[in-house]
Amino acid sequence: NAGVTQTPKFQVLKTGQSMTLQCAQDMNHNSMYWYRQDPGMGLRLIYYSASEGTTDKGEVPNGYNVSRLNKREFSLRLESAAPSQTSVYFCASSEARQGKNYGYTFGSGTRLTVV
Amino acid sequence: SQQGEEDPQALSIQEGENATMNCSYKTSINNLQWYRQNSGRGLVHLILIRSNEREKHSGRLRVTLDTSKKSSSLLITASRAADTASYFCATVNTNAGKSTFGDGTTLTVKP
Repeated sequence: NAGVTQTPKFQVLKTGQSMTLQCAQDMNHNSMYWYRQDPGMGLRLIYYSASEGTTDKGEVPNGYNVSRLNKREFSLRLESAAPSQTSVYFCASSEARQGKNYGYTFGSGTRLTVV
Repeated sequence: SQQGEEDPQALSIQEGENATMNCSYKTSINNLQWYRQNSGRGLVHLILIRSNEREKHSGRLRVTLDTSKKSSSLLITASRAADTASYFCATVNTNAGKSTFGDGTTLTVKP
């Protein structure tokens, strides 16, 4: 099925461990995004990539790095996980035109717990 | 702070009733989008309304936009138990392509 695929779906890390969340889309979208969602709250933008080869910080980038590997793939890395990074992480893509986003397609999320 | 803020935070209605959710925002927007999130799932795009539109329909959904008041509303008519979910608005501001999401309205439709 066409869409956004995230892996893994669940992960438990110990404080200080590192990991990479993978995201791939097959809709030929230009833009990709990483959000986090904490309980009872909306989504907060961590990083985004407006087009292949570019990445920019969002609202809450500290403690994260990203790589836009190619047009399809956008990964999120936690170098040294902290309990405050326990959250659900969503990857999304969109066909932004002239810098304007006209609707996201979201992945199903990665539930990350840092103990 | 969040650009889009939904109101109410929670809404509980009986099946068949209409549900109205509101979204307020602070800066100029290019468009405003509404999303649904079922428990434990990702967000699903419902409808987009552009800044030069005042009303838009999609099936049982009706969205209005008042740019002078910087607010939007989502109306779900003849609600069903399957409409139980959280609903989020996302604003795309004039100067950037990325969106800002509110904290959502949790809708419960009782059968």
